[in-house]
Amino acid sequence: NAGVTQTPKFRILKIGQSMTLQCAQDMNHNYMYWYRQDPGMGLKLIYYSVGAGITDKGEVPNGYNVSRSTTEDFPLRLELAAPSQTSVYFCASSPSETQYFGPGTRLLVL
Amino acid sequence: AQTVTQSQPEMSVQEAETVTLSCTYDTSESDYYLFWYKQPPSRQMILVIRQEAYKQQNATENRFSVNFQKAAKSFSLKISDSQLGDAAMYFCAYRTSIGSGYALNFGKGTSLLVTP
Repeated sequence: NAGVTQTPKFRILKIGQSMTLQCAQDMNHNYMYWYRQDPGMGLKLIYYSVGAGITDKGEVPNGYNVSRSTTEDFPLRLELAAPSQTSVYFCASSPSETQYFGPGTRLLVL
Repeated sequence: AQTVTQSQPEMSVQEAETVTLSCTYDTSESDYYLFWYKQPPSRQMILVIRQEAYKQQNATENRFSVNFQKAAKSFSLKISDSQLGDAAMYFCAYRTSIGSGYALNFGKGTSLLVTP
């Protein structure tokens, strides 16, 4: 039972490049989330999903896209990377009230 | 807007002593959930404890306990018998309804230093 896994752990992007952050969970949770954590701050919600095929925007969705084709996977897509997207990205899953987090992906956009 | 405030950016405690981290929140909901997460230098977000608002009894998990004051909208975390491994950022979070799902609103965190 791996819980929530995220890849890659760390990535450097150039401005304008695209990439996909991967997230997978093996707990059969319906709810999945993407958060970002900027230095000195708490986490802010980017997108969430309540089940396969259903996604919705969170507090800071601009510049990102998501898809949820299976219960297990919830990838986050950055289309045109900008320096403001330099952050640590956390994926989480939840059966109901409590959210369980992956180890995070540190992204640097230069 | 629902907000979570952690008024102590940094706290320090000696090993084996007790420390309390403060958290206040603002909500118009009557039924909700509150959480404390620990984030060590590895950046992993680790659930420490959770509290259901409808329960009057304060939650306890081993050396960690909360003081939940619903009327005052206060949710402090007490760490007893502090250990070096408790050193980390601690985040208070409130679960809020959004659209068809839920989100966690986080405070800015309290950095806990544990000294020998």
